[in-house]
Amino acid sequence: DAGITQSPRHKVTETGTPVTLRCHQTENHRYMYWYRQDPGHGLRLIHYSYGVKDTDKGEVSDGYSVSRSKTEDFLLTLESATSSQTSVYFCAISDVVAGGREQFFGPGTRLTVL
Amino acid sequence: AQSVTQLGSHVSVSEGALVLLRCNYSSSVPPYLFWYVQYPNQGLQLLLKYTSAATLVKGINGFEAEFKKSETSFHLTKPSAHMSDAAEYFCALFGNEKLTFGTGTRLTIIP
Repeated sequence: DAGITQSPRHKVTETGTPVTLRCHQTENHRYMYWYRQDPGHGLRLIHYSYGVKDTDKGEVSDGYSVSRSKTEDFLLTLESATSSQTSVYFCAISDVVAGGREQFFGPGTRLTVL
Repeated sequence: AQSVTQLGSHVSVSEGALVLLRCNYSSSVPPYLFWYVQYPNQGLQLLLKYTSAATLVKGINGFEAEFKKSETSFHLTKPSAHMSDAAEYFCALFGNEKLTFGTGTRLTIIP
């Protein structure tokens, strides 16, 4: 298994509070991604990073920010959590290889916003 | 824009029967296509990938998929279903630096 960990694995918080989720990799992969998974929607990309301090938005980036100050860590921040952000969040990593970049996924973080 | 459509959000098959999960894609460039599997309360695991080397792709756990350009399809099959195949399956398309996922198909195996 690819060395990807996510923390915390479960979190319950209240509306309006800030939340930070962490993704840590030991594979030295260049690309890192944050997705959210919701029933009926599959996985949707929130933000991704293509290098240290290089990030870009995905299709559902509103209300989220990210930071990547070193290769191994990619942080996802909900500045002011809302109930619509209750979801399971997955981090993924990939690298530049021939034939498209398959992604390896972490175990997920289940976030509940009350 | 690229997109992935998975036909059938739920599929049930009897143990030992053929598994067929459907995926159609839309892409303006030659696609890289993937199938992932997700077991309950786990992350996604790569089943197989199409990277233009061969149209019939074999993956783990006895699954395979055939790329058909004329039909813009990449359906996943397994000749004989096993109880351990019960999971959710996602088709995905890589392009523009991103993976685009289908909405998933939940596979149930009937004993």
